[in-house]
Amino acid sequence: ETGVTQSPTHLIKTRGQQVTLRCSSQSGHNTVSWYQQALGQGPQFIFQYYREEENGRGNFPPRFSGLQFPNYSSELNVNALELDDSALYLCASRERGGTNYGYTFGSGTRLTVV
Amino acid sequence: LAKTTQPISMDSYEGQEVNITCSHNNIATNDYITWYQQFPSQGPRFIIQGYKTKVTNEVASLFIPADRKSSTLSLPRVSLSDTAVYYCLVGDGAYNTDKLIFGTGTRLQVFP
Repeated sequence: ETGVTQSPTHLIKTRGQQVTLRCSSQSGHNTVSWYQQALGQGPQFIFQYYREEENGRGNFPPRFSGLQFPNYSSELNVNALELDDSALYLCASRERGGTNYGYTFGSGTRLTVV
Repeated sequence: LAKTTQPISMDSYEGQEVNITCSHNNIATNDYITWYQQFPSQGPRFIIQGYKTKVTNEVASLFIPADRKSSTLSLPRVSLSDTAVYYCLVGDGAYNTDKLIFGTGTRLQVFP
């Protein structure tokens, strides 16, 4: 198992810019979810992808978008960055249909918008 | 998805057993109960999952009463490295959109 890896680990962007965050799922995992975690809060669900299709979305505006690739790696794109987008962004993967229902999380990307 | 209620924080000392109780009065028939642990600047880590009665693994035990309206995570003989935030989640992890709903969790502080 290689776990879930995210890049970059830290990022500073200016308000109005666009950002792409990347995630490599754990080997064998076909489902990936993205979460936003503000300081002192629990992670908030952004969206989920299963076999390259979005199949669930949280309460986030359309400027948050994503992709899942055939090798199950994934991207989170955020357009028109706002100061409130500053947070830890977490990627999590699991094997849909497997016997282990627990998600494996990456260590996250710390995004700071100034 | 059922909401959960758990204490905001707990303190303990090394070597003690810690029990964190989570309330989930509206748990559905298909819902599982899952606990995650999170250290600062890291993603949550799956600890344990159960449906009813008792589940035990190498890290913790999970006690679920017959009505399933609450659950208790038990950490035996905690150490300083168990200082973390613990999240209780309920949901159907098997079908469709199995998003995880995190609350604010329980911040456990272990003292020497």
